[in-house]
Amino acid sequence: DTVMTQSPATLSVSPGERATLSCGASQSVSNNLAWYQQKPGQAPRLLIHESSTRASGIPARFSGSGSGTEFTLTISSLQPEDFAVYYCHQYNNWPRTFGQGTKVEIK
Amino acid sequence: VQLVESGGGLVQSGRSLRLSCAASGFNFDDYAMYWVRQVPGEGLELVASISWNSDNARYADSVKGRFTISRDNAKKSLYLQMNSLRIEDSALYFCVKDTGFSGTTGAYFDYWGQGTQVTVSA
Repeated sequence: DTVMTQSPATLSVSPGERATLSCGASQSVSNNLAWYQQKPGQAPRLLIHESSTRASGIPARFSGSGSGTEFTLTISSLQPEDFAVYYCHQYNNWPRTFGQGTKVEIK
Repeated sequence: VQLVESGGGLVQSGRSLRLSCAASGFNFDDYAMYWVRQVPGEGLELVASISWNSDNARYADSVKGRFTISRDNAKKSLYLQMNSLRIEDSALYFCVKDTGFSGTTGAYFDYWGQGTQVTVSA
């Protein structure tokens, strides 16, 4: 299975600051990488697909980059509603797998 | 798009449970569907997938031989029959829509239901 490793596990950031989340894959996933946001008691919400394409309705402060085995999600200026857990997900290799998540918390 | 799961609950180890997912707001029979589970405070795990026409069903190794995914396109519904349940199957089970039709790779998940909780006791 393709192991997805996210870092850091927890990121403490002040509102208005920039957040950079990392995701690594144990083997190449090309650009078949998505990012999801999950808030407590809610289902995951798609933010980014194909490594860098924002999903419909997602604000421009969310951006993704990378290919192969290294990926990054950047939130340019954190808003109060952005504090949540973020998961990366590869859909290039079977079985599809997820990272363990990065919790973005208020500093 | 709306995905509404039901059928979860508390069950003893070794027993069975059937989850259902009612879909609306999109052409259900055009897309593969998935079940993904999440242990509270932990990560997400793909459980099973099914292609648009039910020809192709795939399972995580952890549930293979015990769980069966199925769908009824006429009823716009997805199902997960879970047999021989184990304590480690306890999780929140999400019904998830894919952007592809085959249920393999190359497409991503775009919509998730709110989940139904399955708790397996000893």
